[in-house]
Amino acid sequence: SQQGEEDPQALSIQEGENATMNCSYKTSINNLQWYRQNSGRGLVHLILIRSNEREKHSGRLRVTLDTSKKSSSLLITASRAADTASYFCATDAGSNDYKLSFGAGTTVTVRA
Amino acid sequence: SQTIHQWPATLVQPVGSPLSLECTVEGTSNPNLYWYRQAAGRGLQLLFYSVGIGQISSEVPQNLSASRPQDRQFILSSKKLLLSDSGFYLCAWSGLAGLQFFGPGTRLTVL
Repeated sequence: SQQGEEDPQALSIQEGENATMNCSYKTSINNLQWYRQNSGRGLVHLILIRSNEREKHSGRLRVTLDTSKKSSSLLITASRAADTASYFCATDAGSNDYKLSFGAGTTVTVRA
Repeated sequence: SQTIHQWPATLVQPVGSPLSLECTVEGTSNPNLYWYRQAAGRGLQLLFYSVGIGQISSEVPQNLSASRPQDRQFILSSKKLLLSDSGFYLCAWSGLAGLQFFGPGTRLTVL
């Protein structure tokens, strides 16, 4: 079953602007991850944030996690046309099988 | 470095025909393996996962089955395809860190 829900479902921005998307989940988590999917392709891992972390950076990506609100946000700064993709959050409960529960995703379109 | 392969890339099959999708991983040993299905414009639904050879866990009741005959081989099968089996099928593996690495996917159309 899907635990995460991304918001908004779709986002259109101008190149150079920042893109922010949110993810909410329902049950306690061990880790939260963000993935990117280009149209018709497999998913690519972007960043993992542990439940005891509040913020993490990787290049132009910034992820925050608020476990009290069961929510996370992904910020892409200075967006580029190549950032056009769908972005998914995924959570795991910490079991050894590392099963992930994915949200429905946010589709980001960066206009040149 | 680790790589994951899936084939075929696309497949068009008639209703009632059998299915076999294969996934292989290179450059790692004893990975956890996963099969997902993605409907158009939707998120990923976990179908099966495996923590070792011959060990398969099913997440949702369905018309599909999975097998892991070798450590780095994961196969998704069906004896008789249904229209509702159409979708984008993704295989993934993970190691101890919990990150999942995805294959390129197979787009299945059942007519």
